[in-house]
Amino acid sequence: DADVTQTPRNRITKTGKRIMLECSQTKGHDRMYWYRQDPGLGLRLIYYSFDVKDINKGEISDGYSVSRQAQAKFSLSLESAIPNQTALYFCATGTSDTDTQYFGPGTRLTVL
Amino acid sequence: QKEVEQDPGPLSVPEGAIVSLNCTYSNSAFQYFMWYRQYSRKGPELLMYTYSSGNKEDGRFTAQVDKSSKYISLFIRDSQPSDSATYLCAMVNTGGFKTIFGAGTRLFVKA
Repeated sequence: DADVTQTPRNRITKTGKRIMLECSQTKGHDRMYWYRQDPGLGLRLIYYSFDVKDINKGEISDGYSVSRQAQAKFSLSLESAIPNQTALYFCATGTSDTDTQYFGPGTRLTVL
Repeated sequence: QKEVEQDPGPLSVPEGAIVSLNCTYSNSAFQYFMWYRQYSRKGPELLMYTYSSGNKEDGRFTAQVDKSSKYISLFIRDSQPSDSATYLCAMVNTGGFKTIFGAGTRLFVKA
């Protein structure tokens, strides 16, 4: 089984809808991350969490929220989706010493 | 100025060529340097990891760090079509606080 899983893998939604992307990990890492990836822009950090009670905004948090339900689970929500949130979203875990990161397979989100 | 600069490419080479991928950075506090490989429609995966300056070799891959020049490189020897992917450099400051990724270089190795 994969160490970092994301659901759903693909999602098409309409403008204004609320959606949630979920991430689970079995690596036992305290750190978890949400990124979006757009062509030519690389990985951009949305939110990160260094433990269950720690949530921090990344460089592009506007329009997103997160919930860290447990050490192993970190969800990303789009409260009211808009078309420019169409992107590939990755969840990752990180080691506490060097922040070596392990990525999930990604969720391809399309907002119409 | 971005903390980490990486040429997005694309870089196209024939099979068997030596590939050189590079990143420059501005923050002298970076101590850990990584290279991630990302195949199309997949998540990035850690390829190489080095601490501080010097070289590290793993099979056909060599990672090189020059902290005095704030420059890191990844060399791929005897490149194969299966090496075709996007390569992202990544850097972490002292204490492993947070990773900064480069934008990625897209590599095509032609058979």
